[in-house]
Amino acid sequence: DVKVTQSSRYLVKRTGEKVFLECVQDMDHENMFWYRQDPGLGLRLIYFSYDVKMKEKGDIPEGYSVSREKKERFSLILESASTNQTSMYLCASGEGLYEQYFGPGTRLTVT
Amino acid sequence: DQQVKQNSPSLSVQEGRISILNCDYTNSMFDYFLWYKKYPAEGPTFLISISSIKDKNEDGRFTVFLNKSAKHLSLHIVPSQPGDSAVYFCAASARNSGYALNFGKGTSLLVTP
Repeated sequence: DVKVTQSSRYLVKRTGEKVFLECVQDMDHENMFWYRQDPGLGLRLIYFSYDVKMKEKGDIPEGYSVSREKKERFSLILESASTNQTSMYLCASGEGLYEQYFGPGTRLTVT
Repeated sequence: DQQVKQNSPSLSVQEGRISILNCDYTNSMFDYFLWYKKYPAEGPTFLISISSIKDKNEDGRFTVFLNKSAKHLSLHIVPSQPGDSAVYFCAASARNSGYALNFGKGTSLLVTP
């Protein structure tokens, strides 16, 4: 079974803090993705990576950066957290034009 | 701009009946379409998919239909069960966009006993 794990299920941070969200997958997938889910807006793509050290912007990259130093690990960084970044963050991995597998999500609250 | 649209935010169906969830898309470059199911506080789980070269794919109680000319797909669940109550997301991807998924906003399905 594919396993995608995220470092925290729940996180509370203060405005202006730097936040790291970690994601690890165990299926040797080339592609990894970060989405955020907000009520009434569905899932929106923040960044994705199709290889180590490669990254591509998604639909809403502003205020975020990513790092992929190893194939199995993809990190999302909030450089200076703001209240409008309070959301559910979902990491996924996949191979080619097929289904992506999601982690359990991190519920981030920025106060 | 929303390229994948699920126009029904919610749907209520009686147990044993058919649930039909609809999805429309605007990008003719989409190659692959997927349905995900999501429970609260969990990540989405993959349900069923269909390639753009097919018009139907079936897996147990779940069938996805694709009408390319209308840019429309639907998910049929027969028979519906209370455990099917969840939010269902339609998603689409294209080779020329790095396989990133474009999601609809989701439809919340409630199956009542």
